[in-house]
Amino acid sequence: DGGITQSPKYLFRKEGQNVTLSCEQNLNHDAMYWYRQDPGQGLRLIYYSQIVNDFQKGDIAEGYSVSREKKESFPLTVTSAQKNPTAFYLCASKVSQDNWEQFFGPGTRLTVL
Amino acid sequence: QQPVQSPQAVILREGEDAVINCSSSKALYSVHWYRQKHGEAPVFLMILLKGGEQKGHEKISASFNEKKQQSSLYLTASQLSYSGTYFCGTENNYGQNFVFGPGTRLSVLP
Repeated sequence: DGGITQSPKYLFRKEGQNVTLSCEQNLNHDAMYWYRQDPGQGLRLIYYSQIVNDFQKGDIAEGYSVSREKKESFPLTVTSAQKNPTAFYLCASKVSQDNWEQFFGPGTRLTVL
Repeated sequence: QQPVQSPQAVILREGEDAVINCSSSKALYSVHWYRQKHGEAPVFLMILLKGGEQKGHEKISASFNEKKQQSSLYLTASQLSYSGTYFCGTENNYGQNFVFGPGTRLSVLP
């Protein structure tokens, strides 16, 4: 079955540590996205990538970094510079930047202690 | 700029109707609607384009008022399965500045 996988579902880290969230898709989609979801604030865009080896900052990119070395993978690193990293992180993809529908992964809930 | 959604939350009995609104202070090119059930990923419902027709899917439909920069999502004869948080996403121009609203939490009770 095609889809988007995010791992792990729950992640705990100590303050000051960098952590990388995984996002893999086998839908052959060109475009991939990372969102952060906080209660009452909807989904806010962190980074997005339209093609391999290219990515752009979203609305809240500070304290995060990404890479897009392969079409199917778009990992997100939450660095120690992110002041409030505890949140629910969603990865999404779509066929291309010109398509409408985004397909979302199940999400990773990150808790920084 | 993030669109505004209203109401923030609504509670219904099964079979009742609901309307969720999404509005922007800027001219809109498109409005997208997603539903996220508790603990699950958001799922695309429909998109409305500037100059396009009202969309519908079974008992869920939506309209787009270009003059008011507003879209409304209509849920008719709600079912328990309609419970979840509904997000609108808006674009000001084709492929530009897509942003999600804060969401409207819908609870359908038996």
